Amino acid sequence: DGGITQSPKYLFRKEGQNVTLSCEQNLNHDAMYWYRQDPGQGLRLIYYSQIVNDFQKGDIAEGYSVSREKKESFPLTVTSAQKNPTAFYLCASSVQSQGVGNQPQHFGDGTRLSIL
Amino acid sequence: GQQLNQSPQSMFIQEGEDVSMNCTSSSIFNTWLWYKQDPGEGPVLLIALYKAGELTSNGRLTAQFGITRKDSFLNISASIPSDVGIYFCAGRGAAGNNRKLIWGLGTSLAVNP
Repeated sequence: DGGITQSPKYLFRKEGQNVTLSCEQNLNHDAMYWYRQDPGQGLRLIYYSQIVNDFQKGDIAEGYSVSREKKESFPLTVTSAQKNPTAFYLCASSVQSQGVGNQPQHFGDGTRLSIL
Repeated sequence: GQQLNQSPQSMFIQEGEDVSMNCTSSSIFNTWLWYKQDPGEGPVLLIALYKAGELTSNGRLTAQFGITRKDSFLNISASIPSDVGIYFCAGRGAAGNNRKLIWGLGTSLAVNP
């Protein structure tokens, strides 16, 4: 089945530790996105990538880093600089058209990150 | 960042009732998307709208792209218990930074069997 796979489903981080969230898609989509979801705040864009080896900051990129070495993969690292990392993290992908893209985003099932 | 005004924030209805929710924006959009999110899962696309005035159905769901291009609504007819979840609208403008997808804060729907 084609889709977006996020792993792990649950992740715990110790103080001062970096953790990496995995996102893999087999939809052959060019564009991929990372969102953070907190209760009552909807979805906030962390980073997005329109093409391999290129990515841009979203609205809340501080304390996060990404890479896009392969079309299928867009891992997100939550660094120790992110002081409030507890949240539900969602990865999405879309077909790319002109500019930022005009196609709907399709989501994975999320990773819930908590602080120990 | 910019957010859409989505209302109502929450709804509690009886099974069989119809439901209506809407989103409004201060700027013009050329795409409106409606998603549903179940607890602990990612949002699932329900309906995509690309043209002002467009009215699109998906089973018991109907969504419309407002004529002013600044609003959209989603209707659910004859609600059932599995309609429970959070419904999000998202919209995208025409050019430049307005091409970024903007999200509403969601409408939480509860259905009493």
